[in-house]
Amino acid sequence: NAGVTQTPKFRVLKTGQSMTLLCAQDMNHEYMYWYRQDPGMGLRLIHYSVGEGTTAKGEVPDGYNVSRLKKQNFLLGLESAAPSQTSVYFCASSRGDQETQYFGPGTRLLVL
Amino acid sequence: GDSVTQMEGPVTLSEEACLTINCTYTATGYPSLFWYVQYPGEGLQLLLKATKADDKGSNKGFEATYRKETTSFHLEKGSVQVSDSAVYFCALTSYDKVIFGPGTSLSVIP
Repeated sequence: NAGVTQTPKFRVLKTGQSMTLLCAQDMNHEYMYWYRQDPGMGLRLIHYSVGEGTTAKGEVPDGYNVSRLKKQNFLLGLESAAPSQTSVYFCASSRGDQETQYFGPGTRLLVL
Repeated sequence: GDSVTQMEGPVTLSEEACLTINCTYTATGYPSLFWYVQYPGEGLQLLLKATKADDKGSNKGFEATYRKETTSFHLEKGSVQVSDSAVYFCALTSYDKVIFGPGTSLSVIP
């Protein structure tokens, strides 16, 4: 039981490049979330999903897209990376909206 | 909208000192309340939770009571250890989402 895993752990991009971050959970959770964490800003919700095939915008969705084609996976895409997207990205999952969130170890992204 | 406010850090304490991290919230409805902890280089993990008014969550010597009348969920520990050094986040559920406070960094020195 691996819980929530994230791939990759660290990535360096040049401005304008694209990439996809993968989140996988093996707990059969319905809800999945993508956050970014920046110094002094706490956690900010980017996008989330309440079930397979559904996605919704969070607090800071601009510049990101997501997909939830399979229940266990939640992908976060950056179509054209910008230095402002340099951050640590965390994925989380939960059984429901009042339930505990389980977090992955994070992905450090540096955009030059 | 719903929100969480918690005391700004960083907080530095000596080992065996008492800890209180204040957390207040604004919410419609009846949210669940959480404290999450983030150790250096790791993701967040649940420390404790409370799902209704007057519930007390507890774990690893930490406690917090859901106070609806004061809209608070303060985190307390009677005697901190060096291993408690981490960032602590207060959070509440809001419809399909969880709203996190900004985090409070705690450093415990021997």
